[in-house]
Parts: sequence; structure tokens; C-alpha cells
Amino acid sequence: GESVGLHLPTLSVQEGDNSIINCAYSNSASDYFIWYKQESGKGPQFIIDIRSNMDKRQGQRVTVLLNKTVKHLSLQIAATQPGDSAVYFCAVVPRNKFYFGSGTKLNVKP
Amino acid sequence: DTAVSQTPKYLVTQMGNDKSIKCEQNLGHDTMYWYKQDSKKFLKIMFSYNNKELIINETVPNRFSPKSPDKAHLNLHINSLELGDSAVYFCASSQAGEGRANVLTFGAGSRLTVL
Repeated sequence: GESVGLHLPTLSVQEGDNSIINCAYSNSASDYFIWYKQESGKGPQFIIDIRSNMDKRQGQRVTVLLNKTVKHLSLQIAATQPGDSAVYFCAVVPRNKFYFGSGTKLNVKP
Repeated sequence: DTAVSQTPKYLVTQMGNDKSIKCEQNLGHDTMYWYKQDSKKFLKIMFSYNNKELIINETVPNRFSPKSPDKAHLNLHINSLELGDSAVYFCASSQAGEGRANVLTFGAGSRLTVL
């Protein structure tokens, strides 16, 4: 099986600051990792992914870091905006089976 | 066009009733899923079908019965509803392939409230 945990259930940041959301996983066989964003009343939406042969991947304003040694994954959001307010999930995908973390709620203060 | 659509969006019903939630995807994906999200936002896999064939069946009461008439549809029927069934149910689909990331695409969710 797989357990996925988050370090903080709620994160409040000031608009314009950078946000970091963390995720820990337990299965070292996990080879694929995804971050999802869920806005209120909607389904989770794909943000960015990373494979286990990488340790960093960048998108538009988002960066995912993977530390396989300590089984830790983080999502960095640069210049956080009000539209970034949502619940963020990490998903660990060993052998095409998806395991989701419990989610971190990001509050962006104007 | 909505990629993964599920109906109804809201469902309020009495304990003991039977209800269904329907899901359709127009992405051409081979695999479809049902997830349950509780009040603490935890997402738990319930079922997965690949080309109409059941491939994942987590520990779910047998009151829940998925049905996949074709690979674009996966419906969820729930018998004898209980208070603890109240949750948001998400349908999702994915398409893994050589050199292609297996990413879940979710529907907007169906909020079930059992009174």
C-alpha cells in the first residue's frame, strides 16, 4: 500500500508571496508524482507532474521538487495570487495506481 | 465540451433509498474511476474500470455497484443508502500509454446528502 501525508492542513500566505506545500510518501517504489488543485465546488485539476528520474520540474509559476532520499515532494507557487486559493493534493502513482494525500488548503490574503 | 461529466451534481435523499450517479467521458480514455471525497477532503478510490472491465475494487460495501456499459461511461448505483454515504463522489478517467503520462481527469463531482 501507500500512505501519503501532508505537513500542514492549512496554509495562509499574503498575495504576492511564494507558497510552499509539502507532501511525504512512504512507498519507495513510487515512480510518478502529480500535484492537483481543487477549487471550491469543482473536481481536482492537474497542475504539474514529475517522474522519479527527475528532482525538479518547472511550470508556469509552479515548481515541483522531489527528494527521493527522504520521500518528500513539494509544490512551490511563485507570486501567489487570489486565484491560487484552493485545496492542493499530491498524488503518488506506483504502478498506475493513484494514492492521494489528504490535501492542504491554501488561503491567499489580499 | 466538458471532458468528464457526471450527473446529478447534487443529490439529496432519504436513508434506505436507492440512487444512481452517471458519468461520461469524451476523451477517448480507456480507464474510468470512482472516487469518494469525505468532509475532510480525503480522496479515496472506490472502483476502476478498463475497457468495461473491473480492475480495481477497493473495500467498498456491496451496496455500491458500478456499471460500465461502454468505455465512455461508468455509472455508480448505491442501494439502501446510509448516513455515512454522504460525500462528494468524483468520476475520473485516464489513458496511460507508451511515453505518455497517466494523468487523471476528474469530473466536477456529485454531492450526495443522505438524510
